[in-house]
Amino acid sequence: DGGITQSPKYLFRKEGQNVTLSCEQNLNHDAMYWYRQDPGQGLRLIYYSQIVNDFQKGDIAEGYSVSREKKESFPLTVTSAQKNPTAFYLCASSIMFRGNEQFFGPGTRLTVL
Amino acid sequence: DQQVKQNSPSLSVQEGRISILNCDYTNSMFDYFLWYKKYPAEGPTFLISISSIKDKNEDGRFTVFLNKSAKHLSLHIVPSQPGDSAVYFCAASAFQGAGSYQLTFGKGTKLSVIP
Repeated sequence: DGGITQSPKYLFRKEGQNVTLSCEQNLNHDAMYWYRQDPGQGLRLIYYSQIVNDFQKGDIAEGYSVSREKKESFPLTVTSAQKNPTAFYLCASSIMFRGNEQFFGPGTRLTVL
Repeated sequence: DQQVKQNSPSLSVQEGRISILNCDYTNSMFDYFLWYKKYPAEGPTFLISISSIKDKNEDGRFTVFLNKSAKHLSLHIVPSQPGDSAVYFCAASAFQGAGSYQLTFGKGTKLSVIP
């Protein structure tokens, strides 16, 4: 079964700690994305990557970092510099040149205590 | 400044009736529009899309209409079913160059279909 997996589903961290959210896809998609959703808000783009070892900042990249060492994986690190890290994080992927058709993972709910 | 707006945060419709969800956009560079459906604590799932060269696209109970001159699109669900109850996001896409697209999302409309 092809798809996007995000783990864990729920994550709790203490304030001041960095935390890494996992995103893996076996769709053979070139491009991957990270979004953040807050209550009553749309999805906002954090980072995206079109190919391995390359990524670009989205609209709200401050306080986040990413890596793309493998085509299948695009982990997101929420650093202590992110002022409001508690949110629902969504990973997506798409075929190259078809970024207008993105497929989403199930999401990770991060709560910083 | 919001480039994609869904002005109705919520909508309630009787089962069997038509649901109409609206979306307005401001960026004339958007050339592809999508609707996603989302249940709580899950990722959005793609529902239907439309290219800017069309004014209508239909898929079963779901039809999307695009009015480019008004920068407005709408999603019609006929007949509405209780399982359609979810948050619906409108998204718009613009080519960024070098094979890159980005989606801009509205804030969503929560649809409740009453049995």
